[in-house]
Amino acid sequence: EDQVTQSPEALRLQEGESSSLNCSYTVSGLRGLFWYRQDPGKGPEFLFTLYSAGEEKEKERLKATLTKKESFLHITAPKPEDSATYLCAVPSGGYQKVTFGTGTKLQVIP
Amino acid sequence: NAGVTQTPKFQVLKTGQSMTLQCAQDMNHNSMYWYRQDPGMGLRLIYYSASEGTTDKGEVPNGYNVSRLNKREFSLRLESAAPSQTSVYFCAGREQETQYFGPGTRLLVL
Repeated sequence: EDQVTQSPEALRLQEGESSSLNCSYTVSGLRGLFWYRQDPGKGPEFLFTLYSAGEEKEKERLKATLTKKESFLHITAPKPEDSATYLCAVPSGGYQKVTFGTGTKLQVIP
Repeated sequence: NAGVTQTPKFQVLKTGQSMTLQCAQDMNHNSMYWYRQDPGMGLRLIYYSASEGTTDKGEVPNGYNVSRLNKREFSLRLESAAPSQTSVYFCAGREQETQYFGPGTRLLVL
């Protein structure tokens, strides 16, 4: 059974304090890994897709990386507006389905 | 473009009542999805539609039915609501590998 595990469940950072979120996965034949951001009371918003080990993608203060077993979302010098829940997901169980992790809730304190 | 829209935003039902959650997209997606999101459980797939006229069960389909009315619209029906169906429901459309989510419907079943 495909599984996605995210850690930590929650992370509290001071503004400017860089850190990383982890997403480990168990899936037969990785066809990509997605990162989403979800603000309270809203739907997930797409951030990145990574397709192969060694690939990196960047967007503002966020950088996502991928290895054969896990992905990291690095947050450099975060700001309070980066506070959100970050979800990772992998395609699984056929072309149409996606398995999501339970997310990391990030809080950035001014 | 409005993207993916959902109605209603919030609903309170009594046990045994029925209701339909509406979803529409203007992004020309072939595939559409219904998820529920519960604390600590992540996003779980209820039903999906790979194309107009087709629907398939996801991970947690019991107690739900869906209709893919046309390419734009995909509705989710609860025939006899139960307290266990209290959740936040998200509709999504798919473009290539990426899913784009609506704002969600918060449902409370008393």
